This record gives sequence, C-alpha cells and structure tokens, in this order.
Amino acid sequence: QLQLQESGPGLVKPSETLSLTCTVSGGSISSSSSSYHWGWIRQPPGKGLEWIGSTHYTGKTYYNPALESRLIISVDPSKSQFSLKLNSVTAADTAVYYCSRVADGVPADHWGQGALVTVSS
Amino acid sequence: QSALTQPASVSGSPGQSITISCTGTSSDIGGYDSVSWYQQHPGKVPKFLIYAVAKRPSGISDRFSGSKSGNTASLTISGLQVEDEADYYCSSFTSSITYVFGTGTKVTVL
Repeated sequence: QLQLQESGPGLVKPSETLSLTCTVSGGSISSSSSSYHWGWIRQPPGKGLEWIGSTHYTGKTYYNPALESRLIISVDPSKSQFSLKLNSVTAADTAVYYCSRVADGVPADHWGQGALVTVSS
Repeated sequence: QSALTQPASVSGSPGQSITISCTGTSSDIGGYDSVSWYQQHPGKVPKFLIYAVAKRPSGISDRFSGSKSGNTASLTISGLQVEDEADYYCSSFTSSITYVFGTGTKVTVL
C-alpha cells in the first residue's frame, strides 16, 4: 500500500523559506518503468485546493506559474523523498500542504495526510 | 492559470440525484480528457473519486459518475446519501503541462 508522509516546520516567519519533505513508502519513487510524478498541493484554511507543482524522479519539474518564481521542487530517489521549497513567504502562504502521487492526467491519486504550515512572526 | 468554475453549493434530498458542474476553457477541460474529481469531508484528506472524465478508481461507488461536454465537466451523485455531504473539487490537466483545480462545491443533503 503506497503511503506518503509530509514533514517539516509548522511555523515559518514572513520573508523566510518554507521547506517540506515527503517520504514515500510502499512503492518505488524511481521505478524505471514509472510514469508517475510526485507533486504538491495546498489548501489555505477554509479555502479550496491549489496545485503547486510536481517532479519526476529524473528531476524534471513542472510548476504553477503563479508560484514558479519562488518555488523549487526536488527529488532524492535514494531516500524515496521529494521536497518543496517556497521562498519569500507571506501570510497568504499559510495552508495545509499535501504531497501526492501524480498519475497520467491525475494531480493526485494518492495523498499524504497533509501538513499545516503557518506563516507568522 | 485561473481556477475552474464550480457552483459554490448544491443541495438535494436523500435518494435524489444531483449534478455539479465544472467549467474551464479549451486549454484545460476542453482540450484533454483528463478531468478528475475529489470529495473532501471537513478536516479530512481529499478522496479520489473520478479520473479520465468518467472512470472510477477501485472501491468508489457507482453512484458517482462523471461526464464532459466541451469546456464543462460534470459530476453526478445518484441516490444521494447523508455521507455524501462534503466539498467536491474538479481538476484538469492543462496545455501548460500543469494542473488546475476547481473552486469547490459544498454539497448539502437536506
């Protein structure tokens, strides 16, 4: 059973960098036959879902244009992990951040449990 | 990229059928058969309901069905049940090789 788990600080100061890691278990992040990507989605409190971006185990990345200038998504197949870094954060970046497996045409067929990140001084 | 447009709320009585619309453009919904739907109960992780417009993942009830016409996709819930009360989100692949979600619809069972 594929499982994804987010980890990282729950509180980040304004203007600093938000960093989260997703650990994948129960399946390979880098299967040679894998067409899966690995992605991030966020949901501000009381609001809807926003796709952040995704990466393939080869390192190829795709980003939401609205966040691209502040965003880096990377992958470490040896640790079965992928990561999100969002810099210059503001209160508007406060959200539950979910990691996901991205299938063909599907932004998330498996989800992590979500990690609440609050941006506040 | 702009969020796909969904009605803010839809309601129905137990046993009835309801339909949630999701409107995009020719650069997303209209251009690809890659529409997915998710159900989210308060405080819970979204649940994967529909993919490729009308396919259901294993374990999803056939009371949930999807369709698409032009730039608008739809999710129909038949035989509405109390446990169907939740928020529903559509999503689509886009021509920019990204994904976009809908604005979300709150379903209320009367």
